[in-house]
Amino acid sequence: QVQLQQSGPGLVKPWQTLSLTCAISGDSVSTKSATWEWFRQSPSRGLEWLGRTYYKSKWFYDYAVSVKSRITVNPDTSKNQFSLQLNSVTPEDTALYYCARGNNWAFDVWGQGTMVAVSS
Amino acid sequence: QSALTQPPSASGSPGQSVTISCTGTTSDVGGYNHVSWYQQHPGKAPKLLIYEVTKRPSGVPNRFSGSKSGNTASLTVSGLQTEDEADYYCGSFAGSVNLWVFGGGTKLAVL
Repeated sequence: QVQLQQSGPGLVKPWQTLSLTCAISGDSVSTKSATWEWFRQSPSRGLEWLGRTYYKSKWFYDYAVSVKSRITVNPDTSKNQFSLQLNSVTPEDTALYYCARGNNWAFDVWGQGTMVAVSS
Repeated sequence: QSALTQPPSASGSPGQSVTISCTGTTSDVGGYNHVSWYQQHPGKAPKLLIYEVTKRPSGVPNRFSGSKSGNTASLTVSGLQTEDEADYYCGSFAGSVNLWVFGGGTKLAVL
């Protein structure tokens, strides 16, 4: 059974970097049959896809246009996890953040969610 | 504002059927058969119900079914049960620039 366990701070100061990690059990971040994704959810923006990484002989990365200049998603093969970094955050980045596994053109396993507030 | 349009609410009585729509464009729902539906109970992560328009993951009851016509996808919940009361979101692949878009969600009440 695949599980995703998120970790990271729930409070980030404006203009600093939001960093979250998603630890994978029951699958491998290096698998060629899945992608590893980040989302966020807020009342103002709804459910929003942020970015992903996946491995097919080399690592690939895709990012949403809305955050492309500020986001990095990285795999960590030594710890079987992947991470989200979002730079220069503002209060508009306050949201519930989720990691998920992409499989068969959908998202079949989700992390438990991390509420992140951007505030001084 | 979400890219895909869903009704904000829907309701039905136990045992009845309800259909939730999800309207996009030819750039997302109408252009690909990569529409999925998610159920989200309060305080919980989304759960995949339907993928590739009509397919159900193992463990999802066959009371949940999906379809698509043109730029509109639909989720039908048959034989409504009280535990079906939740928020439902549609998602669609939208091409190589902004890969995935979602609807704003529909709150389903089982009265």
